[in-house]
Amino acid sequence: SQQGEEDPQALSIQEGENATMNCSYKTSINNLQWYRQNSGRGLVHLILIRSNEREKHSGRLRVTLDTSKKSSSLLITASRAADTASYFCATVSNSGYALNFGKGTSLLVTP
Amino acid sequence: EAEVAQSPRYKITEKSQAVAFWCDPISGHATLYWYRQILGQGPELLVQFQDESVVDDSQLPKDRFSAERLKGVDSTLKIQPAELGDSAMYLCASSSGVGINNEQFFGPGTRLTVL
Repeated sequence: SQQGEEDPQALSIQEGENATMNCSYKTSINNLQWYRQNSGRGLVHLILIRSNEREKHSGRLRVTLDTSKKSSSLLITASRAADTASYFCATVSNSGYALNFGKGTSLLVTP
Repeated sequence: EAEVAQSPRYKITEKSQAVAFWCDPISGHATLYWYRQILGQGPELLVQFQDESVVDDSQLPKDRFSAERLKGVDSTLKIQPAELGDSAMYLCASSSGVGINNEQFFGPGTRLTVL
């Protein structure tokens, strides 16, 4: 069963705009990770945030984590057409190492 | 740059036939995962190996699915017999350790279509 749930399911923006995706999860976690998947391809790891962290940055990516609300957000600033992809959040519990993925947000960035 | 290799990339088969997928993880990665991703959903873990040992296969439909990693390097996932509901992308991933913060590296996947 899926642990996380991303919101929105689909997002369409223009180049240069910011894109924000949200993820909610159900059980306590050790860390939360965001992955990107281009159409029909494997997943690429973007960023990992630990349960004791509240915010993390990597290039144009900013991730926040609120463990009290069991939610996370991924912000992509100054989006580019190449950012078009599906974005998944995945949680890791304290009792296992496997990733529990949400259903993903499909992002379309138009030139 | 080292990558996870998978083959074949695409497989079309008829129901009740046997299919097999192969994965070669990044050299030196002890942990290997097989995930299944149904269209429009996130990946779900099927089986996790630590070296040649199965760590977690609780979500593997063992009546028809089997996985092995005999020498602790490459791995094979088999389905016999295939059913229509098995149509999905099968993703292999590897990580360098069992640490809870280890990043997983994914292969390009094998897209299976069962007719």
